[in-house]
Amino acid sequence: GQQLNQSPQSMFIQEGEDVSMNCTSSSIFNTWLWYKQDPGEGPVLLIALYKAGELTSNGRLTAQFGITRKDSFLNISASIPSDVGIYFCAGPYSGAGSYQLTFGKGTKLSVIP
Amino acid sequence: DVKVTQSSRYLVKRTGEKVFLECVQDMDHENMFWYRQDPGLGLRLIYFSYDVKMKEKGDIPEGYSVSREKKERFSLILESASTNQTSMYLCASRGNSYEQYFGPGTRLTVT
Repeated sequence: GQQLNQSPQSMFIQEGEDVSMNCTSSSIFNTWLWYKQDPGEGPVLLIALYKAGELTSNGRLTAQFGITRKDSFLNISASIPSDVGIYFCAGPYSGAGSYQLTFGKGTKLSVIP
Repeated sequence: DVKVTQSSRYLVKRTGEKVFLECVQDMDHENMFWYRQDPGLGLRLIYFSYDVKMKEKGDIPEGYSVSREKKERFSLILESASTNQTSMYLCASRGNSYEQYFGPGTRLTVT
C-alpha cells in the first residue's frame, strides 16, 4: 500500500533558527496536506497543496509540492517556542479508497529558548 | 471555521464496560472518520462514514462499531472495552476536498 516517510523523525533547534522537514511517498500523490499537532490536542491543518511545483505559505510556514509528485517539503522560518509539536504530512489514497488519507509518522519538533 | 467537537477530553473506563465516544461537526460535511493514535504507530483509521447510516471499516475495526444517525454526529462504540484500547481517539470530518478537520481528541484509559 501507499506509505509516507517523514524525515527527520525528531529535531531539536534553537529559537530563531529555520526548520526544514520532508515527506516522501512510494507512489504519486495529487494532494499533499500538512498538519501540526500540539501535545494532547488534535491535528490542525496548516497547508494544503494541490498542484505539482506549488509553493504555498502560511505565515512563517512554507510548503512545497514536489515536481515528481512523490514528495513534499515544509519549512518554518525563525522558529519560536510555540512551534513545538508534531508535524504530519498526509495525502489521499488513490482509487477506490480515496475518501481516506494516509499519514506520515510525523516529525517531532522541539525548540530550545 | 470548521468546528469538530468530541464529547470528552479524558475518559477512564473499566475492562468490559461499553464505551461511547461522540463526535459532532458543524460544517455539514458528508464524511466523518474515527482514528486512534498510539506512540510509534501513528494515526490508524478505525471506521469512516460517507453518509448518514453508511459506514466503512478502516484499517483496525476489530473491537469497535460506529453509528451515524444524523449527518453532524458520528459515534464510536467500544462494545466491551479492553486495556489494549487505551489510546488517543481522534474524530475528523471532510467536505468535498481531501482536507480533513480534526477534533481535540479523547484520551481513553481502560483499567
